[in-house]
Amino acid sequence: GQQVMQIPQYQHVQEGEDFTTYCNSSTTLSNIQWYKQRPGGHPVFLIQLVKSGEVKKQKRLTFQFGEAKKNSSLHITATQTTDVGTYFCATGGSNYQLIWGAGTKLIIKP
Amino acid sequence: EAQVTQNPRYLITVTGKKLTVTCSQNMNHEYMSWYRQDPGLGLRQIYYSMNVEVTDKGDVPEGYKVSRKEKRNFPLILESPSPNQTSLYFCASSNGLGGYTFGSGTRLTVV
Repeated sequence: GQQVMQIPQYQHVQEGEDFTTYCNSSTTLSNIQWYKQRPGGHPVFLIQLVKSGEVKKQKRLTFQFGEAKKNSSLHITATQTTDVGTYFCATGGSNYQLIWGAGTKLIIKP
Repeated sequence: EAQVTQNPRYLITVTGKKLTVTCSQNMNHEYMSWYRQDPGLGLRQIYYSMNVEVTDKGDVPEGYKVSRKEKRNFPLILESPSPNQTSLYFCASSNGLGGYTFGSGTRLTVV
């Protein structure tokens, strides 16, 4: 079945540094969604990308969907403590069920 | 306010004692799902529903039951809980056009 591989599993950054997480698939994806889960919280939907080569921005967050629709990335510029959490990608499968990446945990170094 | 409401938030129970975790959404969403989240294992889907009276198994359905008698409610039933069902559970809903809205979670401990 369809799988989405997400890397890295963890990323430690100094506050102010950039952060990027990647999702890759061996098959063409119809869409990609991104979620953020704060420590102790629940996943919160950030954005959905559906078009080849699509790039969307939300303040310091930039989301990209690859030209072949097999990969996607989330980039955060100048991380802040409020960015701490786990970022998940997911793609909609049959019956609109999501297939999830394993998540990337963003950790801010003290 | 548009939301998914799960109850209870925390539950400690004993092995074999039937329990129900309720989930209700006020957004008229067709799609609803139940997930469990365990350290290192990410989000794993238990059951999902595409509409009233339409449900199907996810990746880890063993030991769980669901029902969708009304559009807004999607309860998760553990007929005979076991310690390996100790986990953090999330209910989520969507209209099928965008992302899923998640409930705040239910932390279940089975002793």
